[in-house]
Amino acid sequence: KAGVTQTPRYLIKTRGQQVTLSCSPISGHRSVSWYQQTPGQGLQFLFEYFSETQRNKGNFPGRFSGRQFSNSRSEMNVSTLELGDSALYLCASSWPEATSEATYEQYFGPGTRLTVT
Amino acid sequence: SQKIEQNSEALNIQEGKTATLTCNYTNYSPAYLQWYRQDPGRGPVFLLLIRENEKEKRKERLKVTFDTTLKQSLFHITASQPADSATYLCALFDNYGQNFVFGPGTRLSVLP
Repeated sequence: KAGVTQTPRYLIKTRGQQVTLSCSPISGHRSVSWYQQTPGQGLQFLFEYFSETQRNKGNFPGRFSGRQFSNSRSEMNVSTLELGDSALYLCASSWPEATSEATYEQYFGPGTRLTVT
Repeated sequence: SQKIEQNSEALNIQEGKTATLTCNYTNYSPAYLQWYRQDPGRGPVFLLLIRENEKEKRKERLKVTFDTTLKQSLFHITASQPADSATYLCALFDNYGQNFVFGPGTRLSVLP
């Protein structure tokens, strides 16, 4: 089974621009979570999507948004980029379709390294 | 305030010894706690999950303990190998926010 894929792997943007990152979860997984990882703050939860609905949201400003499509693929958007948004953005998939209750084993993608200049 | 801490930023041990990493938390009541391994430039890899009603979990050379009274989890790698060198992250499930909160990680170096 293919793992979690994220595109693009690397991105350089300028302050004020916006960016869209993409995540394809493991086939059959219904939940996609997004995280931001920086040397100073570590891994921080952004939001989780399940069946096209945002289930949970972390403590990030409204400039960070996301969505999930019917095939479970997810996108994350950051508008009006700031220098502090430079980070590794990771998505993780979980909750196989055959499982009726939430499973908590998260499978991470390789991440998108975003640099804001 | 709520905190999740890992005992040290970096840990060096000799090959063949047991590595013990610590994760402590404050003002959380997690139902689950996980450990991940992360190599440079890669996403974390899930290793083990332990529930609040479980004292210990094992998988091959890995062992995790969970003490809800001490608010602490210990992660052990026995017979460590240089290939075990990586950053290890603990993560607890925050019942209030319904999401995982990660510790800062411990960078383990196993010296040959």
